[in-house]
Amino acid sequence: GESVGLHLPTLSVQEGDNSIINCAYSNSASDYFIWYKQESGKGPQFIIDIRSNMDKRQGQRVTVLLNKTVKHLSLQIAATQPGDSAVYFCAEKSDSWGKLQFGAGTQVVVTP
Amino acid sequence: EAQVTQNPRYLITVTGKKLTVTCSQNMNHEYMSWYRQDPGLGLRQIYYSMNVEVTDKGDVPEGYKVSRKEKRNFPLILESPSPNQTSLYFCASSTTGLDEQFFGPGTRLTVL
Repeated sequence: GESVGLHLPTLSVQEGDNSIINCAYSNSASDYFIWYKQESGKGPQFIIDIRSNMDKRQGQRVTVLLNKTVKHLSLQIAATQPGDSAVYFCAEKSDSWGKLQFGAGTQVVVTP
Repeated sequence: EAQVTQNPRYLITVTGKKLTVTCSQNMNHEYMSWYRQDPGLGLRQIYYSMNVEVTDKGDVPEGYKVSRKEKRNFPLILESPSPNQTSLYFCASSTTGLDEQFFGPGTRLTVL
């Protein structure tokens, strides 16, 4: 597969533990945020999104928290599994049209 | 099967030789976008399109062109490729741009 994150921040998590991935965004006017997961050799896959009028949204085993005061977004993964090993990106919609800005990503490594 | 397809998947070319990377989606999505991915830099948006005949620049549009003559297709054109355009390219589409984006499998481009 393709290597896309040679020097990414890495989060090592033991299987079964909860993971928290953090993201600081830049534009206080951003109104839509998304988390993506990218496995080696594949394109990014949507995980969960949240609009700026919310501060929390839950999906299956995942929760996204949005703190607009400090421009911070986090992704929590419950009971982390080996299949969760991947690079995780946050993205923000930074204008009134369709421009998206992605963070550099966090490598999550799940250990047995 | 709902999908985004890109061609070619791999391309090695020389400086100055015009090339086109095709992108097609079969989900009737209005929004399409091109990204490049480089180690440590995450995904950077090149161009996006909100609908047919509507395109706009992302963060790194220099050296690229796009067109959106049909809803399903969004080709990326490099009129005169240079070595700094060596990268992994992803096309993506979504219903409106404010929802889940579906990514293609990626195109690895090397410009010598």
